[in-house]
Amino acid sequence: GESVGLHLPTLSVQEGDNSIINCAYSNSASDYFIWYKQESGKGPQFIIDIRSNMDKRQGQRVTVLLNKTVKHLSLQIAATQPGDSAVYFCAENSNNAGNMLTFGGGTRLMVKP
Amino acid sequence: EPEVTQTPSHQVTQMGQEVILRCVPISNHLYFYWYRQILGQKVEFLVSFYNNEISEKSEIFDDQFSVERPDGSNFTLKIRSTKLEDSAMYFCASRRQNSGYGYTFGSGTRLTVV
Repeated sequence: GESVGLHLPTLSVQEGDNSIINCAYSNSASDYFIWYKQESGKGPQFIIDIRSNMDKRQGQRVTVLLNKTVKHLSLQIAATQPGDSAVYFCAENSNNAGNMLTFGGGTRLMVKP
Repeated sequence: EPEVTQTPSHQVTQMGQEVILRCVPISNHLYFYWYRQILGQKVEFLVSFYNNEISEKSEIFDDQFSVERPDGSNFTLKIRSTKLEDSAMYFCASRRQNSGYGYTFGSGTRLTVV
């Protein structure tokens, strides 16, 4: 079936560096994408979202890039801080999937002081 | 900042027993959801609830599962006869109408079936 970001890699970065977390999706009908942050023992926390009519959206220290041609989504975190250490999930929705989100497998970000 | 509250944080139950997981969504939210995350796996959609009825459910949400909004504040997930494979983190989420799909998730209930 359709799937989003099956891998759970680990990204280790130095404090202050920029981080880039990637996500691949396979459902070409996906039209809405969200990045979530999940800290240990907590639920997913909304970071930023983007609709398919955009290719870039910026928030506070975060930028999401969407490449629909290759079905790729990325989250860029500027000046990564120790508090950014968490598992990051991409999730997607398509018009024909109603309200449900399909989550990717997640990437663990470790920030070294 | 408003939160989605889930209780208990950890529930241990014997196989075959019924469990009820409780959630208090954000007060002005209208759409409610349950997701689960088996250890080491992806977060999976279970069910969505709007206007006092189920609007969507996944294949996971079989006859052993049910949801209810018994009053104006609580949203519950009941598993009638738990199986070992029901062990997972269960997340409740809610969203306002017209807020897009940026749900607010609770901190989850860890269900352990022994």
